[in-house]
Amino acid sequence: GENVEQHPSTLSVQEGDSAVIKCTYSDSASNYFPWYKQELGKRPQLIIDIRSNVGEKKDQRIAVTLNKTAKHFSLHITETQPEDSAVYFCAASINTDKLIFGTGTRLQVFP
Amino acid sequence: DSGVTQTPKHLITATGQRVTLRCSPRSGDLSVYWYQQSLDQGLQFLIQYYNGEERAKGNILERFSAQQFPDLHSELNLSSLELGDSALYFCASYGGRDAEGNEQFFGPGTRLTVL
Repeated sequence: GENVEQHPSTLSVQEGDSAVIKCTYSDSASNYFPWYKQELGKRPQLIIDIRSNVGEKKDQRIAVTLNKTAKHFSLHITETQPEDSAVYFCAASINTDKLIFGTGTRLQVFP
Repeated sequence: DSGVTQTPKHLITATGQRVTLRCSPRSGDLSVYWYQQSLDQGLQFLIQYYNGEERAKGNILERFSAQQFPDLHSELNLSSLELGDSALYFCASYGGRDAEGNEQFFGPGTRLTVL
């Protein structure tokens, strides 16, 4: 069935460093790849997404890259700040339909 | 605020009981998705409704059911509750047109605790 793998499960970085989270999806029909940030007990909030017609997308300190051939996509956060600390989820979907989530990455940014 | 509302915010009940979770999508959104977030299973898709009809099913137990009403709000019914059903239940709504800038909007969730 559909599956999304996410690594690492935890990530600790120093403030100002970069953080990279990687995901792999199984369903080659997937064409929508969002990333969500979730703080404890709160709703997942979309931080960036990419559709399969592009290979990279940037929004200030956040970027996402997509390799359709390898079925990999990654989240890059540069110049990390303590407020970036949260759990990040990747997901894959066909046409923004039901989301298949990765297992999450707990990011801790130390001042 | 995403425009998606869920009630109740918290629900505490006993094993064997039945509960109903409610979701109101954003104005005009025809699709409602239900997701379960538990500590050991992560975020899992349960079921989708589109304009009143079931569109897709995920890992939803037979003890669980859902429906979407003519006003587009949706209810998730959980019966014969077990300790393992304790989780955060999110609904999300979507306008249905796959295009740049469109996304699923998540509600604040209902935290279910089964004692």
